[in-house]
Amino acid sequence: DIQLTQSPSSLSASVGDRVTISCRAGQSISTYLHWYQQRPGKAPKLLIYAAGTLQSGVPSRFSGSGSGTDFTLTISSLQPEDFVTYFCQQTYSVPLTFGGGTRVEI
Amino acid sequence: QLQLQESGPGLVKPSETLSLSCSVSGESISRGGYCWGWIRQTPGTGLEWIGCIFYSGSTYYNPSLNSRVSMSIDTSRNQFSLRLGSVTAADTAMYFCARAYTWNYPLDYWGRGSLVTVSS
Repeated sequence: DIQLTQSPSSLSASVGDRVTISCRAGQSISTYLHWYQQRPGKAPKLLIYAAGTLQSGVPSRFSGSGSGTDFTLTISSLQPEDFVTYFCQQTYSVPLTFGGGTRVEI
Repeated sequence: QLQLQESGPGLVKPSETLSLSCSVSGESISRGGYCWGWIRQTPGTGLEWIGCIFYSGSTYYNPSLNSRVSMSIDTSRNQFSLRLGSVTAADTAMYFCARAYTWNYPLDYWGRGSLVTVSS
């Protein structure tokens, strides 16, 4: 199984801050890496796919980068609705796996 | 607008079989290419991909669950289903159904989730 390690597991920030979340894969996964946002009690929502492509309807303050084993999700200017949890997922090989999540807190 | 909705018992006894269905509206499940999947989530183990099924019936399963899991698809009812056998407390989780363009694409539509508790 390909392990995905997210860091940090939680972070404290303020509205307007720029934040970066890391996802490291246990082996090279090309750009088969996707990011999701999850609000409490809701299903995950796809934000970015193929490492750097913004899903339709997602605000442009979200961006992703990386390839191989190291990936980054950046929120350029945190908005109040962004203080939730983010997950990465790899679809390079079965079983598809998720990172442990990063909780963004005020 | 595509919508997915899970349904099934919220309580299952240990050693029995967990059965969930996912009803799809807004699109025909017979539309080629898509892999209709199941994912579960617990506070302790996070998100776990269970597997997915194409309308043809081809499946991809998580090897860790392979011996206990089966998925099926009912095109006449526009829904797909999950069966997980010999459940234990460790199978207690929120179960989500979701869609991907194919097995190695991201999950772009999700259901709201169905909480299943395994307890006697």
